[in-house]
Amino acid sequence: DGGITQSPKYLFRKEGQNVTLSCEQNLNHDAMYWYRQDPGQGLRLIYYSQIVNDFQKGDIAEGYSVSREKKESFPLTVTSAQKNPTAFYLCASSIGLSSGANVLTFGAGSRLTVL
Amino acid sequence: AQRVTQPEKLLSVFKGAPVELKCNYSYSGSPELFWYVQYSRQRLQLLLRHISRESIKGFTADLNKGETSFHLKKPFAQEEDSAMYYCALRDTGKLIFGQGTTLQVKP
Repeated sequence: DGGITQSPKYLFRKEGQNVTLSCEQNLNHDAMYWYRQDPGQGLRLIYYSQIVNDFQKGDIAEGYSVSREKKESFPLTVTSAQKNPTAFYLCASSIGLSSGANVLTFGAGSRLTVL
Repeated sequence: AQRVTQPEKLLSVFKGAPVELKCNYSYSGSPELFWYVQYSRQRLQLLLRHISRESIKGFTADLNKGETSFHLKKPFAQEEDSAMYYCALRDTGKLIFGQGTTLQVKP
């Protein structure tokens, strides 16, 4: 069954702790993305990666870090520097960069709550 | 700066009424626009894209470059259309999303 798997689905963290959200895809997609979804603010791009071993900051990268060591994996670390980390995080992937190929497939999301 | 604006947080209509979800964009170049939809307890998914000029589930959207708009329309709303709708703009390898509009179709 092809798609994107995000884990964990729910995560609780104490202030001051880093936490890593997993995102794995078996679609053979080159590009992967992390978005944050907040009510009334839509989806905001955190980081994206167009190819293995390369990634770019999105609009709200501060307090987050990523890696792209494998094509199928794009984990997101929410660090203690992120001032308001409680949110719903969505991972997505797409075939690549060419026009018309930028159709995103989304994961089910991870909800992070900071206590 | 590239931007997508969806002015309505919530749109509530009765079943059978026409629906128009508004989307305006700001982009220096030839825009490529999409509508994504998220039904309750389902993943966000593509509804349609302007380059395909298609109608999906009775929805259509026309790119109006003069008004920089890409409004989503359906002549007769159904209860199963109730969902969150996002307009999105392609920008150099990534998508920029609007704030989203919740469509509520009442029986």
